[in-house]
Amino acid sequence: NAGVMQNPRHLVRRRGQEARLRCSPMKGHSHVYWYRQLPEEGLKFMVYLQKENIIDESGMPKERFSAEFPKEGPSILRIQQVVRGDSAAYFCASSSGRGARGQPQHFGDGTRLSIL
Amino acid sequence: TQLLEQSPQFLSIQEGENLTVYCNSSSVFSSLQWYRQEPGEGPVLLVTVVTGGEVKKLKRLTFQFGDARKDSSLHITAAQPGDTGLYLCAGERAGGTSYGKLTFGQGTILTVHP
Repeated sequence: NAGVMQNPRHLVRRRGQEARLRCSPMKGHSHVYWYRQLPEEGLKFMVYLQKENIIDESGMPKERFSAEFPKEGPSILRIQQVVRGDSAAYFCASSSGRGARGQPQHFGDGTRLSIL
Repeated sequence: TQLLEQSPQFLSIQEGENLTVYCNSSSVFSSLQWYRQEPGEGPVLLVTVVTGGEVKKLKRLTFQFGDARKDSSLHITAAQPGDTGLYLCAGERAGGTSYGKLTFGQGTILTVHP
């Protein structure tokens, strides 16, 4: 399966712990996007990364959240000191280029984060 | 305020009926995608439209992008129970710094009864 791979699929953390969500893009894709889907809400953009660069982080909460996409390895979305309100499904998408004209985003199956 | 207004939010129909889902905005989009999402899974891309007035067909599904690139529609002919699911429109706003960032509608939950 050459699709977008996210792990873990489910993650349970206690308040105050750290959560690390991983995303391996489709083969040949160098653009990664993270979205969050809160209960009863639609998908909201969080951050857009290329290898070693953050292109747009306008949707990221100002504190506790960070993202990276290193030269080698998967993209990581890191949430420090998690709170109950962080419980959501986090989706990663990848594309082969910037902009969707002929280069649409393909999504992984998400990580369901639950905070106890 | 939702940038992309998707309607209806819920749709329950009988097998064989036709239906249309709408996605409207006051903003111009450089492209618009339609996705389908099953419970516990990620959105699966159905189609991308990039040209104003463009119409694309995928078997019984017809997608249209408005002339002004502010709206789109998804029409399903002779719906089948297998069409049941959550349908999402998502657009990339034209110009500025929104390049690569998708804005999603709230989704339409379609249920097709046998």
